[in-house]
Amino acid sequence: EPEVTQTPSHQVTQMGQEVILRCVPISNHLYFYWYRQILGQKVEFLVSFYNNEISEKSEIFDDQFSVERPDGSNFTLKIRSTKLEDSAMYFCASSEGGTGFFGSGTQLSVL
Amino acid sequence: QKEVEQNSGPLSVPEGAIASLNCTYSDRVSQSFFWYRQYSGKSPELIMSIYSNGDKEDGRFTAQLNKASQYVSLLIRDSQPSDSATYLCAVERGNQFYFGTGTSLTVIP
Repeated sequence: EPEVTQTPSHQVTQMGQEVILRCVPISNHLYFYWYRQILGQKVEFLVSFYNNEISEKSEIFDDQFSVERPDGSNFTLKIRSTKLEDSAMYFCASSEGGTGFFGSGTQLSVL
Repeated sequence: QKEVEQNSGPLSVPEGAIASLNCTYSDRVSQSFFWYRQYSGKSPELIMSIYSNGDKEDGRFTAQLNKASQYVSLLIRDSQPSDSATYLCAVERGNQFYFGTGTSLTVIP
């Protein structure tokens, strides 16, 4: 069964460092998303991406965040200068339309 | 006002019973509605999507949407212990997606 793959599963970084979270969406899907979930809190939408550009982004997705689809398979989320409050589980999702199928997530810990 | 509201629970039902999960949303222009299941420490799994008023059934699950009341629900028939999880309601508006905080369901054997 096709699935969304995310790497790494855990990422520990120092405050102020850049991190790149990687995702391989399901191959025939056209819509890609990043979400985050702080421990014990709700899933929060960050950004949606379609046709090689951002289609929507939330207030959380400020200038410190960027997304890229550098080739035909990968979809990345970059956080330029991490803050303590960026610590969360980050989920990638892909779909043919709708919220999509989630990957297993990357747990980001900012120290 | 929160975009999507759910009772946090916990909701406990005996095995074999019907579990009823409810969700309200604030914005009338919301277009699409989704139910996800999330086991502790895992990612959300899509259970059902619903786009128009009425009921939609898939196996033991039935989603119900009432746009006039801004209400969407999920019924789980013949509940099983493996259904014990947190159920997330999600709403789409303009290709942005808003999740509720989830309802914790425990099915008691």
